[in-house]
Amino acid sequence: GEDVEQSLFLSVREGDSSVINCTYTDSSSTYLYWYKQEPGAGLQLLTYIFSNMDMKQDQRLTVLLNKKDKHLSLRIADTQTGDSAIYFCAESPGMMRFGAGTRLTVKP
Amino acid sequence: DTEVTQTPKHLVMGMTNKKSLKCEQHMGHRAMYWYKQKAKKPPELMFVYSYEKLSINESVPSRFSPECPNSSLLNLHLHALQPEDSALYLCASSQEGGQRANTGELFFGEGSRLTVL
Repeated sequence: GEDVEQSLFLSVREGDSSVINCTYTDSSSTYLYWYKQEPGAGLQLLTYIFSNMDMKQDQRLTVLLNKKDKHLSLRIADTQTGDSAIYFCAESPGMMRFGAGTRLTVKP
Repeated sequence: DTEVTQTPKHLVMGMTNKKSLKCEQHMGHRAMYWYKQKAKKPPELMFVYSYEKLSINESVPSRFSPECPNSSLLNLHLHALQPEDSALYLCASSQEGGQRANTGELFFGEGSRLTVL
C-alpha cells in the first residue's frame, strides 16, 4: 500500500532553521500538505503544494518537493519556541494519508 | 467562519454509557470526516460523509455510529465502548468529497478527548 514516512523527532535551538523531511510512495499524489498539531489540539493546515511545483514559500515556511525522489521537506526559518509541535506530512488524492508525525522541540 | 467546532472537548464515560460527540461547520463544505487519534500516532480515518451520505466506513466497530443530520452537522454516537477506545476524536471537513476523492485540504476541529473507564 501507499506509505508516508517521516522521522519522529527533531530538536533545534531557537533562532535556527528547522528542516522536517517526508517521503511518500504514491506517484499519483497531486497535493502534499503540512499540518501542525500542538498538544491537546486539532491539526492546523500550515501549507500545501501542488505536485507540479518544486517550491513554495510562505513567510518563514519553505516547502520543497522533489517529485522524482518522492521527497517533501518543510523548512522553518528563525524557529521559535511557539513552533514546538508535531508536524504531519500528508498527501492526496484519494483519502488523505498522514505520516507518523515529527515532534519538533525548540530549545531556548 | 473558517472553524470546525467540536463538543464536548472532554468526555469521560463508562463502558455501559451512551454518549455522543458533535461537530459543526459553516463553511459550506460538503464532506465531513471522523478521525481517531491515539497518543503519539497520526489520525486514523473512521468515517466520511459526502453530501450528507456515508461514503466511507473504515471497518469501524458498530459501537461507533455516525450520523449526519444536515450538511453542517456531524455526530458520532458512542455505545458500549471499551477502554482501548480512549483517544482524541477529530472531526474535519473539506469542500467536496466522494468515494475515495479528496481534492483539497481538510479543516480540523480541536477534537474531543474521550476517556472510557
